Amino acid sequence: DGGITQSPKYLFRKEGQNVTLSCEQNLNHDAMYWYRQDPGQGLRLIYYSQIVNDFQKGDIAEGYSVSREKKESFPLTVTSAQKNPTAFYLCASRGQLFNSPLHFGNGTRLTVT
Amino acid sequence: AQKVTQAQTEISVVEKEDVTLDCVYETRDTTYYLFWYKQPPSGELVFLIRRNSFDEQNEISGRYSWNFQKSTSSFNFTITASQVVDSAVYFCALLGDYGGSQGNLIFGKGTKLSVKP
Repeated sequence: DGGITQSPKYLFRKEGQNVTLSCEQNLNHDAMYWYRQDPGQGLRLIYYSQIVNDFQKGDIAEGYSVSREKKESFPLTVTSAQKNPTAFYLCASRGQLFNSPLHFGNGTRLTVT
Repeated sequence: AQKVTQAQTEISVVEKEDVTLDCVYETRDTTYYLFWYKQPPSGELVFLIRRNSFDEQNEISGRYSWNFQKSTSSFNFTITASQVVDSAVYFCALLGDYGGSQGNLIFGKGTKLSVKP
C-alpha cells in the first residue's frame, strides 16, 4: 500500500545537537510538507516543497532546514538554533491538484533535553 | 487574513450521545475549501471530508455529518451515536484559492473528543 513513512517514531537528543527526521513517500506526490504540533497549538507549517530541488519556508522555518533531492524523500533537520525543538513533527504529501487532501505520516516525537 | 477557529478545546461525552464539533473560518477568497481531519492517539491525521465554497449541501457519511453555512462562515461536524473509537483530536482546516494559499492549509487548533463507555 502507498503511504508516508516517518522514522523514527521517538527521538531523543541533547541540547546543541542537530537532528534529522526522515520522511519517505511512495505515493508519487510532488508536494511535501513538514508541520510541527504542540499541545493546544494545532499544526504549524515549517517547510514545504512542491517539486524536487525546490522548497519554501513556512510560518515557523527558523531553526530548521530541509532538502528535496528526490521526489520520495523530504528530510527535516532540526538545528541547534531552534530554541524550543521538543515537539511532535508531522510530514505530509499532496497529490497533483492543489486542493487535494493531504496524506500524513505517523509523526516523530522529538524530545531535546 | 485567513483563520480557522475551533472554540471547543476539549469535549467529553458518554457513548451513544450525539456531539457537534464547531468550526468557524475567515477568508476573503470567493473560492475556498474546507477540510476535516481526525487524529487518533496513533498520531497520523486522517482525512474525513473536503467541501468547496460553492457547495453548501450538507453531507452525511454513516454516523458523520457536516453542516456548511456560508452565512455564518461555519463548517460544523456532528457525530451521531458516538463510540469510543471516535475518541481523537479533530482538526478543521481552510484552503484558500491557489494564488493566495499556494496549496497550504490553515488549521484550527483542534478539538479533543473523549467518548467514555
